[in-house]
Amino acid sequence: TQLLEQSPQFLSIQEGENLTVYCNSSSVFSSLQWYRQEPGEGPVLLVTVVTGGEVKKLKRLTFQFGDARKDSSLHITAAQPGDTGLYLCAGEMGKSTFGDGTTLTVKP
Amino acid sequence: EAQVTQNPRYLITVTGKKLTVTCSQNMNHEYMSWYRQDPGLGLRQIYYSMNVEVTDKGDVPEGYKVSRKEKRNFPLILESPSPNQTSLYFCASRILTGVGEQYFGPGTRLTVT
Repeated sequence: TQLLEQSPQFLSIQEGENLTVYCNSSSVFSSLQWYRQEPGEGPVLLVTVVTGGEVKKLKRLTFQFGDARKDSSLHITAAQPGDTGLYLCAGEMGKSTFGDGTTLTVKP
Repeated sequence: EAQVTQNPRYLITVTGKKLTVTCSQNMNHEYMSWYRQDPGLGLRQIYYSMNVEVTDKGDVPEGYKVSRKEKRNFPLILESPSPNQTSLYFCASRILTGVGEQYFGPGTRLTVT
């Protein structure tokens, strides 16, 4: 079974701070996705990374795929209360394996 | 509007009473799957289907059945629900090839007493 470990599990910060969420595995993935989920809703795709070493930016969010395609990180600059939610990474290798998620709370 | 729909959104039932949760997508996706989400355990795949009449077990298939008679529909069947199947269930779909982006339904919160 492919496992994806996310850290930290919970993160509570003040508005304006920066943060990084990590997604690690011992398995190699053909691609990795980051999703954001709000209470009462299904996960919504933020980004897909495919190439080892790839960096993608989505406004204040920066996603990086590890060189070996086993790990990824999500960095948020100047977090805002609207960033609050559950962040999930998912590795794809024929089927999808999800991490346990990082619950982010950004306080005004 | 491209979407995945699930019904019902909320369901409270009793142990042993068969139930079906429906899932439908309008994006002509070949691949559909069911997940359950539990606190501290993340999203775990129950079953998936790569096309009509093709289904396979995910990581936690025990106690569940699925069918894929039409491309757009992928119902989840609990023949004899038990309390440990109380959970939040999500259906998802994507194209079969490509880089794996999944589109999720809004979820079904099931409580089995």
